[in-house]
Amino acid sequence: DQQVKQNSPSLSVQEGRISILNCDYTNSMFDYFLWYKKYPAEGPTFLISISSIKDKNEDGRFTVFLNKSAKHLSLHIVPSQPGDSAVYFCAASDDKIIFGKGTRLHILP
Amino acid sequence: DAGITQSPRHKVTETGTPVTLRCHQTENHRYMYWYRQDPGHGLRLIHYSYGVKDTDKGEVSDGYSVSRSKTEDFLLTLESATSSQTSVYFCAISESGRPNYGYTFGSGTRLTVV
Repeated sequence: DQQVKQNSPSLSVQEGRISILNCDYTNSMFDYFLWYKKYPAEGPTFLISISSIKDKNEDGRFTVFLNKSAKHLSLHIVPSQPGDSAVYFCAASDDKIIFGKGTRLHILP
Repeated sequence: DAGITQSPRHKVTETGTPVTLRCHQTENHRYMYWYRQDPGHGLRLIHYSYGVKDTDKGEVSDGYSVSRSKTEDFLLTLESATSSQTSVYFCAISESGRPNYGYTFGSGTRLTVV
């Protein structure tokens, strides 16, 4: 059974606008949530994380929001840039990291 | 990127043959992981290691074994390769095993079993 769900396989956003990637989870014991970015033929790269005791973490253009009551997190990218086109994996951990299936983000010129 | 290399980068093998993938790190990290990535499944943990000779199973460990005789090397072996093991395999390392700073991944090995 999937513990980390990314229900949108792909997303297209205009350059300069906000990209919002969503993720749901089922295990209330997760204590950290992470986002990874992956380009073709490369390994995933850690982007940003958030502890379960927080509801927001910001790093430059990237902000992650956590809604524990809804078991939902989202990654906001503002403003979106062409180099942001990649696959984004949501992940969660209580011991080891469990990944979602990924969302492919296309930034349109 | 620095610190973690996987070999080979690509491999084609026949069903029923044994295959070993190698992960080598220069960061002296204690924790090492093997994941596989498949369309529609994301990344799934196969095995991990929390020290030399200390390993444990992940969620998709059937058909795989691992060994870690040195801190820097973590080997993944497919005892008898099957077509369902065609995948991209990623190794990852972590200094503390705690996820808050994420894992560092290698560039992957694309394995095709024919």
